[in-house]
Amino acid sequence: NAGVTQTPKFQVLKTGQSMTLQCAQDMNHEYMSWYRQDPGMGLRLIHYSVGAGITDQGEVPNGYNVSRSTTEDFPLRLLSAAPSQTSVYFCASTLLPAGTKSEQFFGPGTRLTVL
Amino acid sequence: QQQVKQSPQSLIVQKGGISIINCAYENTAFDYFPWYQQFPGKGPALLIAIRPDVSEKKEGRFTISFNKSAKQFSLHIMDSQPGDSATYFCAAIYGGATNKLIFGTGTLLAVQP
Repeated sequence: NAGVTQTPKFQVLKTGQSMTLQCAQDMNHEYMSWYRQDPGMGLRLIHYSVGAGITDQGEVPNGYNVSRSTTEDFPLRLLSAAPSQTSVYFCASTLLPAGTKSEQFFGPGTRLTVL
Repeated sequence: QQQVKQSPQSLIVQKGGISIINCAYENTAFDYFPWYQQFPGKGPALLIAIRPDVSEKKEGRFTISFNKSAKQFSLHIMDSQPGDSATYFCAAIYGGATNKLIFGTGTLLAVQP
């Protein structure tokens, strides 16, 4: 299994440009999520999905869109990039718990710079 | 507003020493407390986790101590090694069928040889 994969690894955008960060997992996990990591702030949840066709907002959803058309893929879209979105983005996935919590597996991250 | 407060921000420990990282929370709805380890350029990976009905959990050199009444928990790394140098995040998850992780701000640990 490849686990959780993310592309691209690095990206530089100009203010106002749009782009999609790709995330895929091959573990048949129902739950997928996107986090951003900023210095001194830890990781903050952007959006998450509990299954195909179901998404919801996390702590910092503004400026980001998601969709979940398949179990495997969970892309994150920046509609109009802003310098405040410069960050490292991580995708994660896990089995939904059946009365218990389960480990979240993180991808390697995408480092995004918005000029 | 940080729901999970973590300290210290950075920590330097000599090889063989004990590394201690502390976290505190306010929301009693949290019912699962994992610790994640992150190496430079990599995503976080689960290290160890505890439920609030247990006061201590040990896995090898890593121990979580949990104080439910004080709403605090800590990670102890015994016999710290240079390979333990990484960023450590405590986290919390709400009760119920959810996997929404709330992270602390992270501790950068450097173990000097």
